Amino acid sequence: AQKVTQAQTEISVVEKEDVTLDCVYETRDTTYYLFWYKQPPSGELVFLIRRNSFDEQNEISGRYSWNFQKSTSSFNFTITASQVVDSAVYFCALSALSGAGSYQLTFGKGTKLSVIP
Amino acid sequence: NAGVTQTPKFRILKIGQSMTLQCTQDMNHNYMYWYRQDPGMGLKLIYYSVGAGITDKGEVPNGYNVSRSTTEDFPLRLELAAPSQTSVYFCASSGGLIGPQHFGDGTRLSIL
Repeated sequence: AQKVTQAQTEISVVEKEDVTLDCVYETRDTTYYLFWYKQPPSGELVFLIRRNSFDEQNEISGRYSWNFQKSTSSFNFTITASQVVDSAVYFCALSALSGAGSYQLTFGKGTKLSVIP
Repeated sequence: NAGVTQTPKFRILKIGQSMTLQCTQDMNHNYMYWYRQDPGMGLKLIYYSVGAGITDKGEVPNGYNVSRSTTEDFPLRLELAAPSQTSVYFCASSGGLIGPQHFGDGTRLSIL
C-alpha cells in the first residue's frame, strides 16, 4: 500500500522568507511518480510538478524548488522569497501500481501555508 | 479552454435523496477520476475510468456509482445520500496513465 505523510499541518511565514514543505512517502514499488499540487483559497487544485522515481535531480522553477531523495523517501518543496499569493494548501501525492494493477494517486493530508505581509 | 467542468458547484441534499454530479472534459483524455475531500484531509479516490465503458473502484467507492458512456463525460451518482457523504467532490482527467491530473473546480455537497 502507498502512503504519503505531510507532517506539517500548518505553517506561517512572513513575506520574503523561505519555507520548506516536507513530504515523506512509502511504497514497495520501484517505479513510482511523485507530485505536488497547490490548492489556493478559491478551492481549485493546480498541478505544480511531477517527478519519477528514476530521476533524483533537483528541480527549480522560478521561486519553487523540489528536493527528491530516495534514500530518505522524501520529496520536499521549497518556496524562496515567499509572497502572499503563495498562501494555499499544498498537497504531495504519490502514484504507484495499486493492487488492481493500475496507477492510483495517493494524497497526503496537505500543508496549509499562510504568508503574512 | 474549459478543461474539466463540474456541475453543480453547490448542493444541499436531504438524507435518502439521490443525485448525480456531472463532470465533462474537453481535452480528449482517456483517464478520468472522482475524488472526495473531507475537511483537513487530502483527496481520496472514489472511482476512476481508463476509457469509455471501463470503470473501476478506488479507495472509497461505497455509496457511489459511476458510468462512462463517452470519453468526455464521467458522472458520479449518489443513490441514497447519507450525512457521511458531505464533502467536496473533485473530478479530474489525465491524458496518460501517470500524467498530471487536471482538476475541476469541485462540487460542495452537504447532506442534512
